[in-house]
Amino acid sequence: EAGVVQSPRYKIIEKKQPVAFWCNPISGHNTLYWYRQNLGQGPELLIRYENEEAVDDSQLPKDRFSAERLKGVDSTLKIQPAELGDSAVYLCASSFRNTIYFGEGSWLTVV
Amino acid sequence: AQKVTQAQTEISVVEKEDVTLDCVYETRDTTYYLFWYKQPPSGELVFLIRRNSFDEQNEISGRYSWNFQKSTSSFNFTITASQVVDSAVYFCALSEAMTTDSWGKLQFGAGTQVVVTP
Repeated sequence: EAGVVQSPRYKIIEKKQPVAFWCNPISGHNTLYWYRQNLGQGPELLIRYENEEAVDDSQLPKDRFSAERLKGVDSTLKIQPAELGDSAVYLCASSFRNTIYFGEGSWLTVV
Repeated sequence: AQKVTQAQTEISVVEKEDVTLDCVYETRDTTYYLFWYKQPPSGELVFLIRRNSFDEQNEISGRYSWNFQKSTSSFNFTITASQVVDSAVYFCALSEAMTTDSWGKLQFGAGTQVVVTP
């Protein structure tokens, strides 16, 4: 069974530029999460979806971050414009009944 | 509010030694779940174990074992006979279960770096 797939794996952009990350969850997983992990810290939740609905986006910086999950499958996370402090690993995860599985993450460097 | 504390920032051992990772949590929920994840240099968080708040039975799975003590809010994790491939960052995490099919957010600790040398 394929795991959670994310792309791109690595991205370097200049500040003020936009960036987007894509996530394909494990087939059949209704719940999808985006986490952000700063260097040397544990991941922190940005947004959680139940199918197409964002049920917890309280920690998503809405002035510059946006996310969508069309048709309740794939999801994209966008940052516009990016700031230096957005440099981090963006992890996507999905779950159904059993536990929460993570992708390899998208490593963002803003210069 | 939920909180997870991993007081150990780094542990260095020689291969074949045992490694115990400490985790202390805070929650007001009566039903919750505790997890251990491993994060190798590749970056992917690998699920290791999960326990729910009603099950304090401690188990062994291969070289992994855990000690869940609700009275002290601790969920410690042990790697027996460590190997070089065990070198990674280990995260303890806490989650409420919204329903049987849906999980709330995972609250992670800061992680413990384990370094196993030959």
